[in-house]
Amino acid sequence: DAKTTQPTSMDCAEGRAANLPCNHSTISGNEYVYWYRQIHSQGPQYIIHGLKNNETNEMASLIITEDRKSSTLILPHATLRDTAVYYCIVRVNYGQNFVFGPGTRLSVLP
Amino acid sequence: DTAVSQTPKYLVTQMGNDKSIKCEQNLGHDTMYWYKQDSKKFLKIMFSYNNKELIINETVPNRFSPKSPDKAHLNLHINSLELGDSAVYFCASSQFSQGAGVTEAFFGQGTRLTVV
Repeated sequence: DAKTTQPTSMDCAEGRAANLPCNHSTISGNEYVYWYRQIHSQGPQYIIHGLKNNETNEMASLIITEDRKSSTLILPHATLRDTAVYYCIVRVNYGQNFVFGPGTRLSVLP
Repeated sequence: DTAVSQTPKYLVTQMGNDKSIKCEQNLGHDTMYWYKQDSKKFLKIMFSYNNKELIINETVPNRFSPKSPDKAHLNLHINSLELGDSAVYFCASSQFSQGAGVTEAFFGQGTRLTVV
């Protein structure tokens, strides 16, 4: 699986959009981009994933650059409950596990 | 209904003991995992099972033995516990879909193991 690079930490004001970047310059054509988050030592929670196109669900939006070498997770209106460690993962399919890096610690400030 | 459930949530035990952690998923998934999160907070894969067969076995001491009696269960048995085994252990499951790859994994809430 391709390696990802994320900032160690970020702050965001409550109610504002949180934009979390991820670099995955060695991603291959069949690797998906997944985002998970972990709130205070709870189990990691799936947020969103995509291959080429931008994706949106009730939690977040995922913007993938045309060359697929980077992506951004957008939480449109961050709340205090969004404070967590956010993991960007790229992976292929069957037989491959989810490889977690250190992630980005997002602090949503009141 | 909890999708992936682990028991116990907390486990405190002495060095040298043998203990088990149980995991059950009610999502109908065919793949289950065990991850370890140590004090530095890194999540590392330990084992992965697909349809009750071991497909990933990372460099884990053979004191750790996973058992999958059926697709919905993946238990972790640990022999001769050591201080360094203290960590949070997470179980997860996912479903392999032809053409789409493995879909997202769902994680349990973790078992905090403390070896004293």
